[in-house]
Amino acid sequence: AQKITQTQPGMFVQEKEAVTLDCTYDTSDPSYGLFWYKQPSSGEMIFLIYQGSYDQQNATEGRYSLNFQKARKSANLVISASQLGDSAMYFCAMREKTNGVQGAQKLVFGQGTRLTINP
Amino acid sequence: EAGVTQSPTHLIKTRGQQATLRCSPISGHTSVYWYQQALGLGLQFLLWYDEGEERNRGNFPPRFSGRQFPNYSSELNVNALELEDSALYLCASSPGVTGNTIYFGEGSWLTVV
Repeated sequence: AQKITQTQPGMFVQEKEAVTLDCTYDTSDPSYGLFWYKQPSSGEMIFLIYQGSYDQQNATEGRYSLNFQKARKSANLVISASQLGDSAMYFCAMREKTNGVQGAQKLVFGQGTRLTINP
Repeated sequence: EAGVTQSPTHLIKTRGQQATLRCSPISGHTSVYWYQQALGLGLQFLLWYDEGEERNRGNFPPRFSGRQFPNYSSELNVNALELEDSALYLCASSPGVTGNTIYFGEGSWLTVV
């Protein structure tokens, strides 16, 4: 069974500092996708970044980058120059093959990390 | 372009009643997913619809059901509500089964009293 582990229940960071949120995964499938989402207190899940298992380069989206270390099965999210508005829950998720359908989109989520940015 | 929209935002029901939640995917997206986020339990996969068919369901009892309409919108029905059904229900959509983007709506908060 595929599994996502986020070992940091909470993190406190000073504004403008960079922050790394950890995510490790476990899968025997050579083809998989990794996602990061941000969930503010309002509840909406905001898509941040995606990394495919065959992607040659680490994904980047603005201030977000993904430190993908395939051999270690880790996909850490790096937020540069943190802002007060970055305070939220962050979830790492993996696309799980379902019903034998390649690329099927059932997501398995980690437990999340609550990030607090201090002014 | 409009994102995934869900209604209602909040819903209060009494135990034993039925709840219906609705979801409109992003235009052009054919797959719709439902997740339950109960306090302390994380996000749990409920249902996946694509092209009007149920493709997969999570480990939930049959009183959780849904459907997808020809316009790809979807509704989730929860019958015989129990107190532990109180949760945030999130709908997501993607452009078919092979897209690398899955976008969520703002969720529907269901409270069962």
